[in-house]
Amino acid sequence: KQEVTQIPAALSVPEGENLVLNCSFTDSAIYNLQWFRQDPGKGLTSLLLIQSSQREQTSGRLNASLDKSSGRSTLYIAASQPGDSATYLCAAQPNSGNTPLVFGKGTRLSVIA
Amino acid sequence: GAVVSQHPSWVICKSGTSVKIECRSLDFQATTMFWYRQFPKQSLMLMATSNEGSKATYEQGVEKDKFLINHASLTLSTLTVTSAHPEDSSFYICSARDSSGGGELFFGEGSRLTVL
Repeated sequence: KQEVTQIPAALSVPEGENLVLNCSFTDSAIYNLQWFRQDPGKGLTSLLLIQSSQREQTSGRLNASLDKSSGRSTLYIAASQPGDSATYLCAAQPNSGNTPLVFGKGTRLSVIA
Repeated sequence: GAVVSQHPSWVICKSGTSVKIECRSLDFQATTMFWYRQFPKQSLMLMATSNEGSKATYEQGVEKDKFLINHASLTLSTLTVTSAHPEDSSFYICSARDSSGGGELFFGEGSRLTVL
């Protein structure tokens, strides 16, 4: 059974700092991996989707990498801003079927001005 | 990106009443939608997989008679919490996958249910 773990559970950084959020998964046979952002009391916003054949995806100040063999993904945020404060969730899709994602518990990020 | 709309965004009801939450994919068709429940400061817990035109698949421990799911069209799934009790108070989130978009999953804004 796939399990997704995110470390750290919470992170506080000063504005402007570059930071990395970590995600690991136990079963390397994934179809894709997706990173989400969740603001308090809100739904999830999709940030980046990495297909199993890809190694990384970039969107603006965000870069997500995927290493299937080691069961790891990272989300890199450059030049962090207070508006980046949120909970970041990674989730793995087990196979190509229309199956639900397996979520980590998230990393709660606070960027201090 | 694709949009998933959830309604209502919040609802307060009396114990014993039923509440219906709608989930719509606005600009794509979704043969499958997923319903999650989230407790404060916790991650999402999958409740059920909603399949268009057929019965939903419920996760272990989720009462299908309590949480009725209907997926009548390719753009609409509904979750009805029947005979709601205070312990059903939670944040309910739906999601749908755009099958033409490489498998990316999109989420609604969530519905906060408070049962008095």
